[in-house]
Amino acid sequence: GDSVTQMEGPVTLSEEAFLTINCTYTATGYPSLFWYVQYPGEGLQLLLKATKADDKGSNKGFEATYRKETTSFHLEKGSVQVSDSAVYFCALSTIQGAQKLVFGQGTRLTINP
Amino acid sequence: NAGVTQTPKFQVLKTGQSMTLQCAQDMNHEYMSWYRQDPGMGLRLIHYSVGAGITDQGEVPNGYNVSRSTTEDFPLRLLSAAPSQTSVYFCASSYGQGYYGYTFGSGTRLTVV
Repeated sequence: GDSVTQMEGPVTLSEEAFLTINCTYTATGYPSLFWYVQYPGEGLQLLLKATKADDKGSNKGFEATYRKETTSFHLEKGSVQVSDSAVYFCALSTIQGAQKLVFGQGTRLTINP
Repeated sequence: NAGVTQTPKFQVLKTGQSMTLQCAQDMNHEYMSWYRQDPGMGLRLIHYSVGAGITDQGEVPNGYNVSRSTTEDFPLRLLSAAPSQTSVYFCASSYGQGYYGYTFGSGTRLTVV
């Protein structure tokens, strides 16, 4: 079945450091890929998405590129801020299973000043 | 524009009690879903609906019921609460097939004692 594997957390970085959170997936067909962010005490917010191979999603300085050959969708940011501290979820959705999102387990990110 | 509204935000139940978690969206979205979030497990799909009058089971449906009498509302019923249902519950909605991402509510934190 479809699945998403995320980098184990928690991840702790200093402000202005470079961030990478790895995400790989297994899916039938050609999934859409998403990164969601959950700030403390809040629901999930869509951070960025990509719907076909080689697409790059970007938002708020975060980027992720849909790599079909490596089945990956790694999240990157060049210079993190304390306000980026949150839990990040990688997820996929397929045409066949478009009624649902398949989530990774989440990666907790803490940025220290 | 309220988006997806969930009530209540917090609830404590005794084992065996029943209750309904409310979810309403004002975006005229066809697709609605319920997820539960447990530590280290990401989010798992409980039930979903592709339109008024149409519902189906997700990954973890046991102990929960849903109905969809209107486009706007998608309540989740716990029939006889158990400690294993202690979790954070999220409702989500999407336009079209959900292939382009879901909008999430802020969640209901449920504790069963």
